[in-house]
Amino acid sequence: DQQVKQNSPSLSVQEGRISILNCDYTNSMFDYFLWYKKYPAEGPTFLISISSIKDKNEDGRFTVFLNKSAKHLSLHIVPSQPGDSAVYFCAASGSGGSYIPTFGRGTSLIVHP
Amino acid sequence: EPEVTQTPSHQVTQMGQEVILRCVPISNHLYFYWYRQILGQKVEFLVSFYNNEISEKSEIFDDQFSVERPDGSNFTLKIRSTKLEDSAMYFCASSGPGTFGRDEQFFGPGTRLTVL
Repeated sequence: DQQVKQNSPSLSVQEGRISILNCDYTNSMFDYFLWYKKYPAEGPTFLISISSIKDKNEDGRFTVFLNKSAKHLSLHIVPSQPGDSAVYFCAASGSGGSYIPTFGRGTSLIVHP
Repeated sequence: EPEVTQTPSHQVTQMGQEVILRCVPISNHLYFYWYRQILGQKVEFLVSFYNNEISEKSEIFDDQFSVERPDGSNFTLKIRSTKLEDSAMYFCASSGPGTFGRDEQFFGPGTRLTVL
């Protein structure tokens, strides 16, 4: 039962280029979406979030886009840096009144110098 | 910068043994969580805790699991009789004092539990 899907297990990008990480969800009750970043041997770190009343949220090099009709969100990193190499988790919450996030399986991003 | 800490970083135990995983959340946070991640799989919610009681729990959090905040700083997860399938990375997280769950959750570095 994958309510939050990250279909690309890995992504490789050249330094300076744009990284686009994708996430799809199936539960239309989700109304809050988050991206977390995880380095090896560390816990996930909150990166950016978006409410369902918006379609875009930007924070520095990171922008999250939400397409509610397609139940799709994406994280754009511009420009990508080698330090961005990590596993990125998409998460969604709000179903059934719960604020507990449901996580995707993650996408491993590698940014090559 | 305040951070969530977890001990031990790695715990090896025999099947059927009890384990206690410890966490020290960020001091002014009010909401506490345990998650687990089985190798190669997604991060899964186990339980949330607020005001000294469980707020939500998942289907994974059965009678073998319990949580406690024994004092003002520690938050523990106990597994009474470990099974092989309990082998995973266990993450503690805390958030608040804002809107429950909508605040950023701060995760600890995790405890890797290996059940032999």
